[in-house]
Amino acid sequence: KAGVTQTPRYLIKTRGQQVTLSCSPISGHRSVSWYQQTPGQGLQFLFEYFSETQRNKGNFPGRFSGRQFSNSRSEMNVSTLELGDSALYLCASSFGGYYGYTFGSGTRLTVV
Amino acid sequence: SQQGEEDPQALSIQEGENATMNCSYKTSINNLQWYRQNSGRGLVHLILIRSNEREKHSGRLRVTLDTSKKSSSLLITASRAADTASYFCATDAGRDDKIIFGKGTRLHILP
Repeated sequence: KAGVTQTPRYLIKTRGQQVTLSCSPISGHRSVSWYQQTPGQGLQFLFEYFSETQRNKGNFPGRFSGRQFSNSRSEMNVSTLELGDSALYLCASSFGGYYGYTFGSGTRLTVV
Repeated sequence: SQQGEEDPQALSIQEGENATMNCSYKTSINNLQWYRQNSGRGLVHLILIRSNEREKHSGRLRVTLDTSKKSSSLLITASRAADTASYFCATDAGRDDKIIFGKGTRLHILP
């Protein structure tokens, strides 16, 4: 079966711009989580969606937002980009907590 | 904030040797998971151990969990070059169905 698909794979943006990243989960998975990975902070939880509802949110500013559609696909948006937003953004989908998460290959965002 | 903390941060061993990584966490959990990440790629789920389990095997992987010490270990036996990667533990406290990752152990297998 198809894995978790994240698009685009690479992105270069300028400070102050906004960006939208997309994630298509494994068919049947209704939970989608987003993580930011940087060398300094490691993997930081951004938010989790389940059946189009945000169930959890990490400790990130309001510039980071997301949504989930009825087909479980999810998008995350970052507005007013800062240099510190440069990171690998990972999406993961799951049936639920006891089944582990399947991760996409990530979107590498570079802010210049 | 990190819930799990892996030890050591980095590990280099000869191919064929066993590699052991440890993870300590702070609060009670429903389950603990181990993931592997090859350089700059997505994470791959390796194994999940529930809080009422003490040991679990999957191929060359052996995971133990000691809830009294709030710690887990991942053993990779007969290591191969392809095992070179970063390994993360992730804890699921169950209250809000999100998992929190540690900072990982970088494993390097020497030929």
